[in-house]
Amino acid sequence: NAGVTQTPKFRVLKTGQSMTLLCAQDMNHEYMYWYRQDPGMGLRLIHYSVGEGTTAKGEVPDGYNVSRLKKQNFLLGLESAAPSQTSVYFCASSYHGSSGANVLTFGAGSRLTVL
Amino acid sequence: DAKTTQPPSMDCAEGRAANLPCNHSTISGNEYVYWYRQIHSQGPQYIIHGLKNNETNEMASLIITEDRKSSTLILPHATLRDTAVYYCIVRGMGNDMRFGAGTRLTVKP
Repeated sequence: NAGVTQTPKFRVLKTGQSMTLLCAQDMNHEYMYWYRQDPGMGLRLIHYSVGEGTTAKGEVPDGYNVSRLKKQNFLLGLESAAPSQTSVYFCASSYHGSSGANVLTFGAGSRLTVL
Repeated sequence: DAKTTQPPSMDCAEGRAANLPCNHSTISGNEYVYWYRQIHSQGPQYIIHGLKNNETNEMASLIITEDRKSSTLILPHATLRDTAVYYCIVRGMGNDMRFGAGTRLTVKP
């Protein structure tokens, strides 16, 4: 089991360029999440998905789009990158246990720099 | 969702127990308490969770007060590798897990 895999691990963009971050999980989890983490800060939720074909906004969704066409993949898109989007992006997946608890498994992160 | 309050930083001597507090005075009956940690710049790692009862696993113990308004994560014998940011999260059946600033634990030799 690879768990949660994020691609790419590093990327440098110029302002205005677009790109897509890919998150893949092989645990058959229903729920997937994208977070960003700025230096010295905690994680902030961008978007999440509770199942294939569904997405929802988190705390800081502006400037990002997401898609969940397949259960195992969750894509995060930046249509027109801005320097303020320089950050480390973490993907996570989870399931709800029979007790209702929600335990997340995280990827290793993708470091994005926008010049 | 209940908000949580954690001290921004704590120190602990290597080999001693690390006790990390979390206040969640507005917690409701169906909300769980979760703890995660983030070592350096790695992805956060799940530690433990609980609803009402105290919980223990191979990593840590979680003590929840009877009124559920606060909890303590206990690392029984802290090592240098336990130096990390520890996040306390309170969440019910909803799906958006939100992290606060956490507590930066430094284990010192």
